[in-house]
Amino acid sequence: NAGVTQTPKFQVLKTGQSMTLQCAQDMNHNSMYWYRQDPGMGLRLIYYSASEGTTDKGEVPNGYNVSRLNKREFSLRLESAAPSQTSVYFCASSGVFVRAELFFGEGSRLTVL
Amino acid sequence: KQEVTQIPAALSVPEGENLVLNCSFTDSAIYNLQWFRQDPGKGLTSLLLIQSSQREQTSGRLNASLDKSSGRSTLYIAASQPGDSATYLCATNGGSQGNLIFGKGTKLSVKP
Repeated sequence: NAGVTQTPKFQVLKTGQSMTLQCAQDMNHNSMYWYRQDPGMGLRLIYYSASEGTTDKGEVPNGYNVSRLNKREFSLRLESAAPSQTSVYFCASSGVFVRAELFFGEGSRLTVL
Repeated sequence: KQEVTQIPAALSVPEGENLVLNCSFTDSAIYNLQWFRQDPGKGLTSLLLIQSSQREQTSGRLNASLDKSSGRSTLYIAASQPGDSATYLCATNGGSQGNLIFGKGTKLSVKP
């Protein structure tokens, strides 16, 4: 079972470049999330999609955009990468927003030089 | 604003010991509390989810309890093994916030 799949797993960018992190889930979940994990800061929510067709800002949305392409896919875009966006990014999904078990992808490690 | 705290940040125990990991939260208006495990360089794996109406959940050697009134949850690991070495995180929703708030985790090391 694939669960939650993220691509790419590793990426190095230069300041000002753009990129999109892709996430897909095969569990027919309604809700999807993007988190970033930084040493000493823990996991912080960037954006979420409670259901297909909706997206909302989380705790740290500045510098990011998201698209809920369909029920399976939720992408995160960095329009102009900054060194402060160097982090490990996790996509997650759940059957129901907040009230159900959360399943995570393996993470995408992004370095911005 | 919901805050989730996990103490200690790190814990080292000998193999075979029973141990307890702690999680505290400031807002008791929660839907549920979840415990996760994270291995180095990996994503988070869900261990247990306790609904707000429940007091505890068990899975194998793991038992998680929830006391909403005191804002506390504990994860009990029985007969610890070196394979249990990982970082354990708890998470719950904020009262007026819909999203999950995570603690910073307890890094567990079980020595053979």
